[in-house]
Amino acid sequence: GDSVTQMEGPVTLSEEAFLTINCTYTATGYPSLFWYVQYPGEGLQLLLKATKADDKGSNKGFEATYRKETTSFHLEKGSVQVSDSAVYFCALSNLQGGSNYKLTFGKGTLLTVNP
Amino acid sequence: GAVVSQHPSWVICKSGTSVKIECRSLDFQATTMFWYRQFPKQSLMLMATSNEGSKATYEQGVEKDKFLINHASLTLSTLTVTSAHPEDSSFYICSAHPGVVNQPQHFGDGTRLSIL
Repeated sequence: GDSVTQMEGPVTLSEEAFLTINCTYTATGYPSLFWYVQYPGEGLQLLLKATKADDKGSNKGFEATYRKETTSFHLEKGSVQVSDSAVYFCALSNLQGGSNYKLTFGKGTLLTVNP
Repeated sequence: GAVVSQHPSWVICKSGTSVKIECRSLDFQATTMFWYRQFPKQSLMLMATSNEGSKATYEQGVEKDKFLINHASLTLSTLTVTSAHPEDSSFYICSAHPGVVNQPQHFGDGTRLSIL
């Protein structure tokens, strides 16, 4: 079945540091890929998405490129802020096999940014 | 962006009580809604998938008689935790999908359920 593997946290950075959170996936066909962010005590918010190979999703300074050849969707940000502290989830949606828009999540990566 | 409202955000009740959680899509029609459970410092665990007007499809290991799901309209789904016990205490999150290919699920803010 489909699966998502993302780097284990926690990740602790200083403000303005460069961020990379690795995400790789296993899936049949051509899944859509997503990054969601969860702030403490809240639900998930969509951060960015990509629906086909070589697409780059971007939002709020975060970027991720859909790399089919390496089955990866790494999240990057050039300069993190304290307000970026949250848990980040990589996820995929695969319509093959009648999955009905289900998401397969990675385990999440806790990011803490210190001033 | 798309908005999903989940209510209540926090509920504390006695063991044996039934608790209803509502999930509403405010600005789009949700053909499919999902209910998740999240334990501390863990990822989301899918409990069930519901399509409007149909019976929910439960994931393996989820008791359908304990967690009743109703999706009576394209904008509202409810999860009722029946005869709740302390082990049912958790963070429950709903999401809604518009039924369009390549569109994301949109999540509610979650409900913190504490059973005493």
